[in-house]
Amino acid sequence: GAVVSQHPSRVICKSGTSVKIECRSLDFQATTMFWYRQFPKQSLMLMATSNEGSKATYEQGVEKDKFLINHASLTLSTLTVTSAHPEDSSFYICSAPRLGFLWTDTQYFGPGTRLTVL
Amino acid sequence: GIQVEQSPPDLILQEGANSTLRCNFSDSVNNLQWFHQNPWGQLINLFYIPSGTKQNGRLSATTVATERYSLLYISSSQTTDSGVYFCAVERASGSRLTFGEGTQLTVNP
Repeated sequence: GAVVSQHPSRVICKSGTSVKIECRSLDFQATTMFWYRQFPKQSLMLMATSNEGSKATYEQGVEKDKFLINHASLTLSTLTVTSAHPEDSSFYICSAPRLGFLWTDTQYFGPGTRLTVL
Repeated sequence: GIQVEQSPPDLILQEGANSTLRCNFSDSVNNLQWFHQNPWGQLINLFYIPSGTKQNGRLSATTVATERYSLLYISSSQTTDSGVYFCAVERASGSRLTFGEGTQLTVNP
C-alpha cells in the first residue's frame, strides 16, 4: 500500500537553532503535500500546502519565513523550522494525496515528527 | 471554510461493546476519510468513504452525503481500539483535509 515516511521521528534542539523535517512518498509521486501541526489533546491544523516546483501556500497566521517549505521533487517535501523557540514544540505531520489509486483520492499520512525545543 | 463536528468527544467502553461515532460536516465534500490515531501519533487510514457504506472486519462506515454526515461503527471493541478517531473532509480532489476535533475512545478490559 501507499506509504509516506518522515524523518526524523523525534528531535530535541536548543532554542534558536533550525530543524529540518523530511517527508517522502515512497511508492507514488505527489505534486502536492500538506504539512500539519498537532498540539497535545488537539486536532490537526493545516500549516501549509507544499507544491512541487512552485512556492508553498501558507495558512493564515503561519509565518512563511519561520516555516520554510521546499518541494524539490515529486517524492520529497521538507519543512524547516528556523530559529526554533519553545512555543514551536509540537507534533508535525505531513500528508500526500494519491489521486485515482483504486478509484479513490486517499490522503496518506507520515508517522509524524515530535519536535521539542528547549 | 467547511466545519467538521465529531461526537461524542470522549467515549469509554468495556471490551466487547459496540459503539457509533458521528461526523457532521457543513458543506458538500469530494472526500471523507476516517482515521485512527494510535498512541505513537500515527494516523491509520480506516476508510475513504465520500458516500455509501463500507466494512472492514469489525469496523464499518456509512456516509450520507446529501445529509452531510458520516458514521463509524465499531463492533466487539477491543483494548487495541483505544485512541483518537478523526473524521476529515476534502472539498476538491487532492486538496487540503479539514479535520474534526476527534473522538477519544478508551476500551477497558
